[in-house]
Amino acid sequence: SQKIEQNSEALNIQEGKTATLTCNYTNYSPAYLQWYRQDPGRGPVFLLLIRENEKEKRKERLKVTFDTTLKQSLFHITASQPADSATYLCALGEDQAGTALIFGKGTTLSVSS
Amino acid sequence: GAVVSQHPSRVICKSGTSVKIECRSLDFQATTMFWYRQFPKQSLMLMATSNEGSKATYEQGVEKDKFLINHASLTLSTLTVTSAHPEDSSFYICSAIKGGDNEQFFGPGTRLTVL
Repeated sequence: SQKIEQNSEALNIQEGKTATLTCNYTNYSPAYLQWYRQDPGRGPVFLLLIRENEKEKRKERLKVTFDTTLKQSLFHITASQPADSATYLCALGEDQAGTALIFGKGTTLSVSS
Repeated sequence: GAVVSQHPSRVICKSGTSVKIECRSLDFQATTMFWYRQFPKQSLMLMATSNEGSKATYEQGVEKDKFLINHASLTLSTLTVTSAHPEDSSFYICSAIKGGDNEQFFGPGTRLTVL
């Protein structure tokens, strides 16, 4: 069966450092991978999408890599701030219209000042 | 923009009652909406796929008679938890697909507590 793992349940870093979150998957060949931010008691908010034929995507302080050989995506937040503290979810998707995403459990990031 | 709303945001009910949760796409039409459930510190688990004008497709293990889904229009899907029990207490989140690129937009979620 499909399995998606985010390697840390929690990650604590100091303000200004780079946070790196990992997402691994097995038994699946997604067309794309997405990263979401979720704050307590709120729905997920879309951050970035990277397709299987893309190696890297950037958006402001965010960077995502996608290695389909390793079946792994890395999510980086550079110059982290306390406001970046949240749970980050990775999700796998297919191009077929109307298909749902498969979510990991998430990594809760805490950035201390 | 692409905004999805849910109502209510929070509901507390007695065991045995039914609760209806609404999911609306406010500024776009969504032929497909999804209903997820999330327990504390757990992943979002897909419950069902809701297509406008047709019956919902339920994931394995989700009771369709307990979780009634109605996608009445291109902007509204409802989830009714019938005869709710304490184990149904969870965070219910809907999402809607906009356009043909499969991008999903999520609602803010509904916290259901069954006493």
